[in-house]
Amino acid sequence: GESVGLHLPTLSVQEGDNSIINCAYSNSASDYFIWYKQESGKGPQFIIDIRSNMDKRQGQRVTVLLNKTVKHLSLQIAATQPGDSAVYFCAEVSGNTPLVFGKGTRLSVIA
Amino acid sequence: DAGITQSPRYKITETGRQVTLMCHQTWSHSYMFWYRQDLGHGLRLIYYSAAADITDKGEVPDGYVVSRSKTENFPLTLESATRSQTSVYFCASSAVGGLGGYTFGSGTRLTVV
Repeated sequence: GESVGLHLPTLSVQEGDNSIINCAYSNSASDYFIWYKQESGKGPQFIIDIRSNMDKRQGQRVTVLLNKTVKHLSLQIAATQPGDSAVYFCAEVSGNTPLVFGKGTRLSVIA
Repeated sequence: DAGITQSPRYKITETGRQVTLMCHQTWSHSYMFWYRQDLGHGLRLIYYSAAADITDKGEVPDGYVVSRSKTENFPLTLESATRSQTSVYFCASSAVGGLGGYTFGSGTRLTVV
């Protein structure tokens, strides 16, 4: 069936470095994508989204890139901080169907 | 307080017992969702609701029952709890379905012994 997944389950980065978290999706009909951040003991929190008619979107210290040709999504975090340590999920939407989440990548920031 | 709240925060129950997890949102969002989160599986959709009195099955609905008599409440009931239902349960709401994303509650950690 259709699925959303991640290339790397864990990622460790030095404080101040840039982080890149990747996600592959298989549903070519997906038209909207979201990245969520989940801190320990909390619910997922919306970070940034992107529609399928875009290939890049920037927020504060975060950038999402979408490559529809290879069905790949990435989240870039600039100047990673200890507070960025969390599990990051990508999610996709096709039309008005519920979000489908990937399995998540744990980001660990080394001070 | 405004937002989405889940209760209880933690629950331990015995196999075979019925247990209900509560979810309440104050935004009058049309859509509400129940996900379970297990290590290695990420977030999997159990049930969702597009409006009061409208519910649909998600990916893993077996063993669960939902109702939505009021827009703001979306309780999830485990009719006869099993150990495989030990998980963290998240409720979420959205004004317009997937677009714009969902807002999640803080979760209920359920342990079935």
